[in-house]
Amino acid sequence: NAGVTQTPKFRVLKTGQSMTLLCAQDMNHEYMYWYRQDPGMGLRLIHYSVGEGTTAKGEVPDGYNVSRLKKQNFLLGLESAAPSQTSVYFCASSYAGQPQHFGDGTRLSIL
Amino acid sequence: AQSVTQLGSHVSVSEGALVLLRCNYSSSVPPYLFWYVQYPNQGLQLLLKYTTGATLVKGINGFEAEFKKSETSFHLTKPSAHMSVAAEYFCAVTLGSTLTFGKGTMLLVSP
Repeated sequence: NAGVTQTPKFRVLKTGQSMTLLCAQDMNHEYMYWYRQDPGMGLRLIHYSVGEGTTAKGEVPDGYNVSRLKKQNFLLGLESAAPSQTSVYFCASSYAGQPQHFGDGTRLSIL
Repeated sequence: AQSVTQLGSHVSVSEGALVLLRCNYSSSVPPYLFWYVQYPNQGLQLLLKYTTGATLVKGINGFEAEFKKSETSFHLTKPSAHMSVAAEYFCAVTLGSTLTFGKGTMLLVSP
């Protein structure tokens, strides 16, 4: 049972490039989340989804887009990467909002 | 809206000493409360949760926390520290489908 899997684990981008982070869960969870973690800031919610085909904004949504075309997958996109988006990104899923199960993170550096 | 304050970004204890990590919340109604632990280069793991019922909650690895409504607190304790519990700890609160995290407390354990 893999739980929550994030792809890729590491990535370096140049300013202005685009990329998509993939999150996959095999627990049949309805809810999925994307967070970013920065030193001294805790985890901040970017976007979340309460079911297939739905998305909602979190605390820090600007510069990101998401899609939930399949129940098991939640994609996070950066259309034009900026150095301020250098961070560790975590995906999480849950059955009914909580508790949330987390992936191991994607470390993204933008030069 | 809800918020979480973790007192102390770093807490240092000696091996065998009591661990006390402080968390205070702000919420208009009684929330659900959580403690998560994060080891280096890993995602967050659920330590324990309070939803309803007994206010003293026991979690994994000998941790426990007590919900005190009158003090709006949910402090995490462990009677005797071990090197293996050195990690970052996050308190979180929810009223629905999303979590609000504190900024985290790094627990340092010295021999």
